Amino acid sequence: GAGVSQSPSNKVTEKGKDVELRCDPISGHTALYWYRQSLGQGLEFLIYFQGNSAPDKSGLPSDRFSAERTGGSVSTLTIQRTQQEDSAVYLCASSLRRYSAGTSGGAFPSTDTQYFGPGTRLTVL
Amino acid sequence: TQLLEQSPQFLSIQEGENLTVYCNSSSVFSSLQWYRQEPGEGPVLLVTVVTGGEVKKLKRLTFQFGDARKDSSLHITAAQPGDTGLYLCAGAGNYGQNFVFGPGTRLSVLP
Repeated sequence: GAGVSQSPSNKVTEKGKDVELRCDPISGHTALYWYRQSLGQGLEFLIYFQGNSAPDKSGLPSDRFSAERTGGSVSTLTIQRTQQEDSAVYLCASSLRRYSAGTSGGAFPSTDTQYFGPGTRLTVL
Repeated sequence: TQLLEQSPQFLSIQEGENLTVYCNSSSVFSSLQWYRQEPGEGPVLLVTVVTGGEVKKLKRLTFQFGDARKDSSLHITAAQPGDTGLYLCAGAGNYGQNFVFGPGTRLSVLP
């Protein structure tokens, strides 16, 4: 199918190494999100892309985390100098990101459906 | 900061029983979504509710958005083992904020 794909599915690395996680969104989806999910927990928002720009990076936990998106498609999440607390499942989602006019005249996301990939399980030893 | 709480955290029931799980916040959301996540997979959207007091039904699942748009419930009738999973609620703010996710309710339906 043409869903969201992520690679690798599993990554084991040593503390202090850098890792790159890849996300291929659904074709035509302008919005792309990265989340982190620790074992048995909910989703922690990391960063959001609209096209190639990232209007909201508020969830990145430290400056060791960065992400980019090229061509309005593929995105890479990079974690430098990994720490054991970085171990988690990293989920990517994409959506069409249509905006609706708010009652006050501002714009807000309509009932946006996010389609999630299967995630990358990162283990830092 | 908008936060969502979910209860119960864990729920284990027998096949055929009914159950309700809750999603609560002190914040108002413009819309609220429910997702189900199975092990090794990403969450899958079940429903989006946008109007206070709204009730939506999806087969044996009934979703309700509170009148004040601060809370929501998910009721499952005659639960089946296939309903097993992590149920997540996610709320969107009024000013273009991204969805905030709750910690989830982990449901186990035993045959």
